[in-house]
Amino acid sequence: RKEVEQDPGPFNVPEGATVAFNCTYSNSASQSFFWYRQDCRKEPKLLMSVYSSGNEDGRFTAQLNRASQYISLLIRDSKLSDSATYLCVVNERTGFQKLVFGTGTRLLVSP
Amino acid sequence: NAGVTQTPKFRILKIGQSMTLQCTQDMNHNYMYWYRQDPGMGLKLIYYSVGAGITDKGEVPNGYNVSRSTTEDFPLRLELAAPSQTSVYFCASSSPGDSVGRAFFGQGTRLTVV
Repeated sequence: RKEVEQDPGPFNVPEGATVAFNCTYSNSASQSFFWYRQDCRKEPKLLMSVYSSGNEDGRFTAQLNRASQYISLLIRDSKLSDSATYLCVVNERTGFQKLVFGTGTRLLVSP
Repeated sequence: NAGVTQTPKFRILKIGQSMTLQCTQDMNHNYMYWYRQDPGMGLKLIYYSVGAGITDKGEVPNGYNVSRSTTEDFPLRLELAAPSQTSVYFCASSSPGDSVGRAFFGQGTRLTVV
């Protein structure tokens, strides 16, 4: 089983749509969780951290369910500029900050 | 503030050649990482370092070596290039005191081995 699993997509949505991505992780001892965004042929950049209580940043909402080892990202009112690959990232914290990346979910927002 | 800087951005190597990918960061981060990303795939950890003089293997270390003589620099060495090492290489850094795991990435080095 992969350490961090994501649906690779692509998710094709029209502008203004709401879209949700999910991610599961295998290491129950994982300490912290993130969503990174990666544009085509660019480096990954932190989108947002994910907290147990759920957190929001503008149009983006992240949720964590530790019992189910499940992380989600919701994007409301999608923009063309949201087109990118979204990487689920888990810090396994085995003696140092070990970041484990999912393969990413590709989002395509069309006019 | 430059962040994480990688050089070169692009490189074509012949099979059997060697090269060093350079990475430097100016954020005084203790932790540094090298990842590779194959087309359509996630990032795989090659090597990491928790501080100057300390390095360790990640999940795909074969064919690579690293050193960490200073906090700022973390070069990755390919000794005998093979086609399987064609990939995009990302260097990253993070601080144990900064949001527990948030990493800053360089712009990547696109390597082709022919």
